[in-house]
Amino acid sequence: GQQVMQIPQYQHVQEGEDFTTYCNSSTTLSNIQWYKQRPGGHPVFLIQLVKSGEVKKQKRLTFQFGEAKKNSSLHITATQTTDVGTYFCAAFSGGYNKLIFGAGTRLAVHP
Amino acid sequence: EAGVAQSPRYKIIEKRQSVAFWCNPISGHATLYWYQQILGQGPKLLIQFQNNGVVDDSQLPKDRFSAERLKGVDSTLKIQPAKLEDSAVYLCASSLGLNTQYFGPGTRLTVL
Repeated sequence: GQQVMQIPQYQHVQEGEDFTTYCNSSTTLSNIQWYKQRPGGHPVFLIQLVKSGEVKKQKRLTFQFGEAKKNSSLHITATQTTDVGTYFCAAFSGGYNKLIFGAGTRLAVHP
Repeated sequence: EAGVAQSPRYKIIEKRQSVAFWCNPISGHATLYWYQQILGQGPKLLIQFQNNGVVDDSQLPKDRFSAERLKGVDSTLKIQPAKLEDSAVYLCASSLGLNTQYFGPGTRLTVL
């Protein structure tokens, strides 16, 4: 079945450094979503990418969807302690809005 | 607008006992999902309802897990009997059709 692989599993940065997490699939994706889960919290939707090569920005966050629609990335510029959490990518599999989540990248930011 | 509500927030049981979780989705959201999130992993879909009908339960361990959504609003997820490996956070989510999913706070289950 559909799988999405995320790397790295864990990233530890100093506040102010940049951070990137990558999501890869062996099959072409119809679209991809990104979620953030704070420690002890629940996943919160960040964004959805649909078009090949699409780039979207939310303040310091930049989301990209690969030209082949098999990979995606989330880049955070100048991390802050509020960015701490686990970032998940998720792709639709089959019909009915079924999401397959990656294992997530856990971000730790040290002041 | 109120979010997805879940109860209880925490539950500790012994193996072979039964447990039930409750979810109240966002008003008007026809699609409801139950996910299992094991520590250090991404959420895994257990079952998906469209109104009160099941559209996907391919990853639900049906020998011990059951779920229902009577009247197409609230839903309950039951585990009977529980195993140690069922220890996880059980997340409920809802969406308006085929769209963004909104997650509830989850129920953290510990099976001893």
